[in-house]
Order: sequence, then C-alpha cells, then structure tokens
Amino acid sequence: EAGVAQSPRYKIIEKRQSVAFWCNPISGHATLYWYQQILGQGPKLLIQFQNNGVVDDSQLPKDRFSAERLKGVDSTLKIQPAKLEDSAVYLCASSLRGTLYNEQFFGPGTRLTVL
Amino acid sequence: SQQGEEDPQALSIQEGENATMNCSYKTSINNLQWYRQNSGRGLVHLILIRSNEREKHSGRLRVTLDTSKKSSSLLITASRAADTASYFCAVQAGGSYIPTFGRGTSLIVHP
Repeated sequence: EAGVAQSPRYKIIEKRQSVAFWCNPISGHATLYWYQQILGQGPKLLIQFQNNGVVDDSQLPKDRFSAERLKGVDSTLKIQPAKLEDSAVYLCASSLRGTLYNEQFFGPGTRLTVL
Repeated sequence: SQQGEEDPQALSIQEGENATMNCSYKTSINNLQWYRQNSGRGLVHLILIRSNEREKHSGRLRVTLDTSKKSSSLLITASRAADTASYFCAVQAGGSYIPTFGRGTSLIVHP
C-alpha cells in the first residue's frame, strides 16, 4: 500500500516570500491533517479535513496560512508571507476516519527554512 | 491544551539493554498513543492504549497506562541500534479526536 506522499521534501525561502506544500493521502482515507513540527518539539496540529470540509483549524494562523482539500483527496498548505518562525517541518497525515482510535499515517514531511 | 510530557528528554543505552520512557498528562484521556520518529521513516504509529486498558504489547514494545497517576510508560526490550529515534506520546482527551503530542524522548542505542 502506498503511503502518504508529500512534496517538496525541502524548501528554502526568504522571509516575506510565499510557499506551498502538497500532500496526497493514502487512497480511501477520508481524514487529512497538517501538522507543524518545530525543531525539538512534537508535531502541532494546524488543520484537519474530513473529506473536503474543515473539521478543526483553531491553531492555523489564518492571517498567513491557508489550506484546501479540493475533491476530498489531495491537499495544499500555503504560507504567505512567510516569517522566520515558520521554519519547521510540515507533516501531512491521513486516517481512514477522523474518530477515536483511528491510526494516523504520516508522510515524510517538508522541511521549510525561512531566511 | 492537553498534551503528554515525556521523560527523560534524552536516553542513551547499549544495544541489548531495555529502554523505558514515561509520559505524564494532566486531565482525563480517551486514549494515549506512542509514536516513533527517525530520519529514515518519519513519524510512525507504535501502539494505542485506551483509557480502560492497563497494558498492551507489540513485539518488543510494552506500554502501560496508569490513569490514577495520569501516566504511561513505553518499554523497549532488548534494544537494537535501529531503535535509535525520538519517541512521542500523544493524548486524545475530552471530545477531541486529535492526538496532542509532547516534546518527545530522544533515544540513542549504541551498537
């Protein structure tokens, strides 16, 4: 079974530039998550989608971050404009359903460096 | 928000030894999960233990949960160099379906 795919794997940009990340979840998984993991910390949820609807985006900095999941499959996460503190690994995960006891499968992540 | 806190922050052992790491949390939980993260395979789910369970096993992994002490432990027996990774606990609490991660324990297993 193919896992969660993410691209690019690495990205270096200057502050105030924009950047976009792409995620393709495991086929058939209804729920998709974006996490931000700053060096030395655990992943922090940014947004959760159920099919193509947003379930939880309470920790998404909406003044600069946006995400969409068109057609309930692939998803993109955008940062515009980027700040130095956005340097982190951005992880995408998917699960069959977004309920209790559902295992999340994570992609390899995109490492973002903002200079 | 509710999150687990792992202890110790770092652990260094020799191959063949057992490794124990702990997770503490503050409020009632629905379940607690352990994940492993290394550079080669990213973040991988290891074990989920429900609030009404006390112990679970998976291969060389043993997880215990003590809800009275609000703590969990992950034991890796007969460790291998390949077990070198960061280990995170993540708790699901209240009505949230989202696991909230701690800062992790960095485990180094020396060959």
